[in-house]
Amino acid sequence: QVQLQQSGPGLVKASQTLSLTCAISGDSVSSNSATWNWIRHSPSRGLEWLGRTYYRSKWYNDYAVSVKSRITINPDTSKNQFSLQLNSVTPEDTAVYYCARDQGSSSLLNWGQGTLVTVSS
Amino acid sequence: QSVLTQPPSVSAAPGQKVTISCSGSSSNIGNNYVSWYQQLPGTAPKLLIYDNNKRPSGIPDRFSGSKSGTSATLGITGLQTGDEADYYCGTWDSSLNAVVFGGGTKLTVL
Repeated sequence: QVQLQQSGPGLVKASQTLSLTCAISGDSVSSNSATWNWIRHSPSRGLEWLGRTYYRSKWYNDYAVSVKSRITINPDTSKNQFSLQLNSVTPEDTAVYYCARDQGSSSLLNWGQGTLVTVSS
Repeated sequence: QSVLTQPPSVSAAPGQKVTISCSGSSSNIGNNYVSWYQQLPGTAPKLLIYDNNKRPSGIPDRFSGSKSGTSATLGITGLQTGDEADYYCGTWDSSLNAVVFGGGTKLTVL
């Protein structure tokens, strides 16, 4: 059974970098079938996919256009986890952030517990 | 403005049936599989339907999914008060190279 455990600060100052980590158990970040995603949820914007990392003989990333200039998602094979960095945050980045595993065909079966990140001005 | 369009809210009485629609285009729903998620307040979304009409283990058959052209539908029968939640459709968009979601539909069981 796959479990995802998120960690990282819940408060970030405007213009700084939001950093979260998602530790994986029950699967490998180097899986040749899964992808590893970050999604956020806010009352004003609903669910918003931010990006993903995955391994298919080499590492790939895809990012949402809305955050492409500010986001980095990295795998860490030594710790079997992946991370999110979002630079130059503003109060509009305040949301609950989730990591999630896509089992295939963009179906997000396993989710982390969520982290409320508040950006203070 | 979400890429996929859902009604903001639907409602029905306990025991009744409800459907939630999700409209997209050929770059997303028209050529990719659709998933549906249930989000209860304060919890992570839960996958209800994947590959248009398949249910993950543990999801009751009261939940069903279908797709036709560039639209998809989630059906819930035998409504229970515990079904009150926000429901989201999602799929891959081949033009955006991104996962896209609908704006969400709030289900009220009267």
